[in-house]
Amino acid sequence: AQSVTQPDIHITVSEGASLELRCNYSYGATPYLFWYVQSPGQGLQLLLKYFSGDTLVQGIKGFEAEFKRSQSSFNLRKPSVHWSDAAEYFCAVGRVDSSYKLIFGSGTRLLVRP
Amino acid sequence: DTAVSQTPKYLVTQMGNDKSIKCEQNLGHDTMYWYKQDSKKFLKIMFSYNNKELIINETVPNRFSPKSPDKAHLNLHINSLELGDSAVYFCASSQALEAFFGQGTRLTVV
Repeated sequence: AQSVTQPDIHITVSEGASLELRCNYSYGATPYLFWYVQSPGQGLQLLLKYFSGDTLVQGIKGFEAEFKRSQSSFNLRKPSVHWSDAAEYFCAVGRVDSSYKLIFGSGTRLLVRP
Repeated sequence: DTAVSQTPKYLVTQMGNDKSIKCEQNLGHDTMYWYKQDSKKFLKIMFSYNNKELIINETVPNRFSPKSPDKAHLNLHINSLELGDSAVYFCASSQALEAFFGQGTRLTVV
């Protein structure tokens, strides 16, 4: 069965510092991978996605993620964090078959120090 | 124009009541979902519909019944509400798994 693990429940970084949020997945084939962000009281917004091709994908708000098949990872990075990036971040994995199932990790809360 | 809209945004009700949450998407997507987000922010898929057909029905109590009158709408009806049903419920629609979420409905059962 497919699953997603985000090992960090929360991470605190200083504004202007770099960020890396970890995501590991378990899946029998090449998955479709996503990162979403949820601001307080809001729905989820797609940051970026990986379907195939270049393993380094660029997203909105200056985020990028790298797919590493050998490590079953899809970590999210940002070179310089802004205070407005404070939110909950979710990694998700899915497959396009008859199930159309999109499974989410447990989330990582990002706190930004001024 | 809101892509995925849910109503109501907040719902406070007593145990034992029946309530519905409505969801509409104007993106032309074939697939719609209901997710439940608990107090620890964990997102659990409940149902998935593709072209009005039920595709995923996770281990959800049968007090929860989704209904999709057409491709653009997916409603959620909940019978005999219990305290444990308190959560935020998100509707989403997708094309090739790229999902767009509504703002959520915060359900509080008292």
